[in-house]
Amino acid sequence: GAVVSQHPSRVICKSGTSVKIECRSLDFQATTMFWYRQFPKQSLMLMATSNEGSKATYEQGVEKDKFLINHASLTLSTLTVTSAHPEDSSFYICSVKGPLVTYEQYFGPGTRLTVT
Amino acid sequence: GQQLNQSPQSMFIQEGEDVSMNCTSSSIFNTWLWYKQDPGEGPVLLIALYKAGELTSNGRLTAQFGITRKDSFLNISASIPSDVGIYFCAGPVKYSGGGADGLTFGKGTHLIIQP
Repeated sequence: GAVVSQHPSRVICKSGTSVKIECRSLDFQATTMFWYRQFPKQSLMLMATSNEGSKATYEQGVEKDKFLINHASLTLSTLTVTSAHPEDSSFYICSVKGPLVTYEQYFGPGTRLTVT
Repeated sequence: GQQLNQSPQSMFIQEGEDVSMNCTSSSIFNTWLWYKQDPGEGPVLLIALYKAGELTSNGRLTAQFGITRKDSFLNISASIPSDVGIYFCAGPVKYSGGGADGLTFGKGTHLIIQP
């Protein structure tokens, strides 16, 4: 598998501010990372695919100007929630596509965002 | 989009019992993945299945890729307290964004072990 870290593990911010979440692949170089969102008692929903060296691809209904993704290196992808609102409060989880030619994804520990 | 129907939604079992859960889809999948998520954590991959009819074990866990490619099953034998958590099935889909295949998840099976 792959080892993935996220930082911070939890963050509280005020409405209107921006928050950056980091996702790191610790044991191999990942050209593709994914960002998911999970609301309480719900399943994971894909927000966007982060591609190293190119623009992220966003899923329908996800505002690309609000959720900025930067995949500047093969080990780091960042998600910035801009002008956060209480409805953005959620559990944000990144994943790394495995090193083999498979569909396996390995997830980070998640970031709990609370917007007050 | 492709949806995965997972059942049961929750299970209340006694320690030592065997557990069975399943996942179905109206569409064909070429890969089935089973994950476990503990509270406040990211999902952890348990088993990956790649061929119709495949039966794969990981310790006390056994998963099967249905012959029709539209379902998968996960069994846990002799449950122990640390098996508590939410189990998700997942499969790759081409999302609207058009990027690499993301995963679509079932709604999860919440396993609760009664003392």
